[in-house]
Amino acid sequence: DSGVTQTPKHLITATGQRVTLRCSPRSGDLSVYWYQQSLDQGLQFLIQYYNGEERAKGNILERFSAQQFPDLHSELNLSSLELGDSALYFCASSVPTGNNEQFFGPGTRLTVL
Amino acid sequence: AQKITQTQPGMFVQEKEAVTLDCTYDTSDQSYGLFWYKQPSSGEMIFLIYQGSYDEQNATEGRYSLNFQKARKSANLVISASQLGDSAMYFCAMRVQGAQKLVFGQGTRLTINP
Repeated sequence: DSGVTQTPKHLITATGQRVTLRCSPRSGDLSVYWYQQSLDQGLQFLIQYYNGEERAKGNILERFSAQQFPDLHSELNLSSLELGDSALYFCASSVPTGNNEQFFGPGTRLTVL
Repeated sequence: AQKITQTQPGMFVQEKEAVTLDCTYDTSDQSYGLFWYKQPSSGEMIFLIYQGSYDEQNATEGRYSLNFQKARKSANLVISASQLGDSAMYFCAMRVQGAQKLVFGQGTRLTINP
């Protein structure tokens, strides 16, 4: 168990809908990262937050947004869902010092029908 | 741009044998970190080992070691005395100085046969 929690574990929804994925980082970690894992794109970085502020942005679609709250949990919002958004969405957290290894949550598997 | 290449889509190894998973990387940065993660069929990503670009010694963590050859830009993962539980996808990843994101390779699916 990495200490990073993600809910829900599975999510099935329809095209055009909006969903929210939730992540709680390890105790003491200030950074939260979101990654998308799909069969065709592999593991891709979406966005990073550090202590409530957006720190880095990757291949995140405009239909997607995220935020980190004062208690450091983070939410990834996906809207106007398309079939191609079906993927495994990971949240990871890290401390700002040392090797900065990222510890991943169990992921949320999103299926868009 | 940074890139990770894992050229072995799949590998089959007999239990108790050692196995080497290949990883080459491309970056113009001098300071970077290399990571290996394991993804079992259950889906979670498990951190295995880290190597910094300035580390002179190869990293080791239990049965895992990282064969770091800087001039060749390779960071191969070596698993000694493989076990059935080692069957999983293995991802090599890189983080460069000043960036926080990890760039991942496409992964290698390792199957350990009894």
